[in-house]
Amino acid sequence: KNEVEQSPQNLTAQEGEFITINCSYSVGISALHWLQQHPGGGIVSLFMLSSGKKKHGRLIATINIQEKHSSLHITASHPRDSAVYICAVRGATNKLIFGTGTLLAVQP
Amino acid sequence: NAGVTQTPKFRILKIGQSMTLQCTQDMNHNYMYWYRQDPGMGLKLIYYSVGAGITDKGEVPNGYNVSRSTTEDFPLRLELAAPSQTSVYFCASSYSSSLNSPLHFGNGTRLTVT
Repeated sequence: KNEVEQSPQNLTAQEGEFITINCSYSVGISALHWLQQHPGGGIVSLFMLSSGKKKHGRLIATINIQEKHSSLHITASHPRDSAVYICAVRGATNKLIFGTGTLLAVQP
Repeated sequence: NAGVTQTPKFRILKIGQSMTLQCTQDMNHNYMYWYRQDPGMGLKLIYYSVGAGITDKGEVPNGYNVSRSTTEDFPLRLELAAPSQTSVYFCASSYSSSLNSPLHFGNGTRLTVT
């Protein structure tokens, strides 16, 4: 079993829908990252959090340390949100452990 | 700032050839990392560095070498390329490992070994 599991693996949504991507982890962590990888490959850091909730534009990230779970929400989704969303946790060794990503396609 | 710059973007190698993937950052970041990304797998750490002159192995270091002679540059060397090294390679940097220090990634190098 992977230490970081994401669900769903693939997600197709219609423009305007509210989207949730989930990340569960099995190790103790000091921080959790959400990353976005666009077609063409570049990776961008979206959020880094250790508790509570962060918001940036239409993106919201939450984390529940007790349940070892984080969610990434996208409100009013748009085709330009189509990308792979990757969850990564910083564990006890201070190194990042990555999930395998969620492929999101937002259709107009 | 250019951020993290990786070269080349694409490369095809024959088995046994060697090459260096270049990575440079202009943000004065202390931490630099090399990852590989294989289909259906999460990124795996190859090597990392916490500052000039200091490097350490990650999860999958075999077949690779690195050096960090300056803060800006962190090249990754493949000495005897093998088909198992076919992958997409990403260099990343951060100022520190703290919560206020996000990761910055390069655009990746797609390497094929045949």
